[in-house]
Amino acid sequence: NAGVTQTPKFQVLKTGQSMTLQCAQDMNHNSMYWYRQDPGMGLRLIYYSASEGTTDKGEVPNGYNVSRLNKREFSLRLESAAPSQTSVYFCASSEAQGFGGELFFGEGSRLTVL
Amino acid sequence: AQKITQTQPGMFVQEKEAVTLDCTYDTSDPSYGLFWYKQPSSGEMIFLIYQGSYDQQNATEGRYSLNFQKARKSANLVISASQLGDSAMYFCAITTSGTYKYIFGTGTRLKVLA
Repeated sequence: NAGVTQTPKFQVLKTGQSMTLQCAQDMNHNSMYWYRQDPGMGLRLIYYSASEGTTDKGEVPNGYNVSRLNKREFSLRLESAAPSQTSVYFCASSEAQGFGGELFFGEGSRLTVL
Repeated sequence: AQKITQTQPGMFVQEKEAVTLDCTYDTSDPSYGLFWYKQPSSGEMIFLIYQGSYDQQNATEGRYSLNFQKARKSANLVISASQLGDSAMYFCAITTSGTYKYIFGTGTRLKVLA
């Protein structure tokens, strides 16, 4: 059971470079999420997609864009990476219809911006 | 908007003792769900327990129980008979009806002492 799969697991970028984090889930979930985790800050929501065809800003959307490619896939793009975007990024999905469903997480992607 | 506050950055507990991790929340929506996740040093996010705002009973899952005090807006996690493997970061999260957003607290790092 793959669950939620993120790629790449590790990435080093230089300031100003762009990259895309890929996420796919095989649980037929409607909702997908991108979080970043920084020491002492917990998990902060970047963007989410409640259902295929919709995306919305979370708590910290600046500097990021997302695409809900289809029901399975939700990508996160950094157009011009900055050192402040050094973080661990988690993709998650949920079957929640309103509230109540747990989040299923990927293994995380560690991004370093030099 | 939803908000989660975890005021204990770090906690210690002796093996086999019980420990309570605090979580307070803020939302104006009467319909919401509260979650606890565990993140061991390996980095994955593990779902532990869920409590719905309309649930009459406090949630329990094995050694985990949720002390839900609605009037105080608190949802503390109680771990009974702590084990060395319980050493990890613990996150409280909330989602509310119709928003699809899951908002996390900053976490509590628990260390179980032999």
